Amino acid sequence: QQQVKQSPQSLIVQKGGISIINCAYENTAFDYFPWYQQFPGKGPALLIAIRPDVSEKKEGRFTISFNKSAKQFSLHIMDSQPGDSATYFCAAGTGGTSYGKLTFGQGTILTVHP
Amino acid sequence: SQTIHQWPATLVQPVGSPLSLECTVEGTSNPNLYWYRQAAGRGLQLLFYSVGIGQISSEVPQNLSASRPQDRQFILSSKKLLLSDSGFYLCAWSASKEQYFGPGTRLTVT
Repeated sequence: QQQVKQSPQSLIVQKGGISIINCAYENTAFDYFPWYQQFPGKGPALLIAIRPDVSEKKEGRFTISFNKSAKQFSLHIMDSQPGDSATYFCAAGTGGTSYGKLTFGQGTILTVHP
Repeated sequence: SQTIHQWPATLVQPVGSPLSLECTVEGTSNPNLYWYRQAAGRGLQLLFYSVGIGQISSEVPQNLSASRPQDRQFILSSKKLLLSDSGFYLCAWSASKEQYFGPGTRLTVT
């Protein structure tokens, strides 16, 4: 019930294309859904996050779409660039006594070809 | 602004040796602190979290321990390293829901 399932495991996109990464969860208590970007040898960086009271959030070329009834959320990267090549993690968390703990997906390795 | 530091950046240790990794946070008070391990460049496994000085919760039984001697200092330790302890160790902090990661420590146990 605590799992967050992420797909695909790897993704290859041409420069200028749209990258789409999907995540699904079971625990309806989750109320915070962040995405992280990680470059090799670096710590993950918070990219964008959404709460379940909105269906979409956009920051620059990055958009989160959220479907509460389906318990799914996705990251869309528009106009993908070679510099976007990295591993992306979705996560889900709850407030209260969870102390800010996050449940992470397994990650998606994105490669953007020039 | 807040900053999180980890050291050392890389470490090579023989099996059976002790371990001490340190994490410090600047620019915030009473943060929640977390230790994660990442194996094979994927998946983040939460090892420990702390909501205050001396308060440590373990998520996974293992060969490691954690301590929080000061408000913004979090230490990961082992008395005797195993080969399976190799990995990328990440410290993170949060004040509310957003969680921010440090640069990580690459540990290789030989």
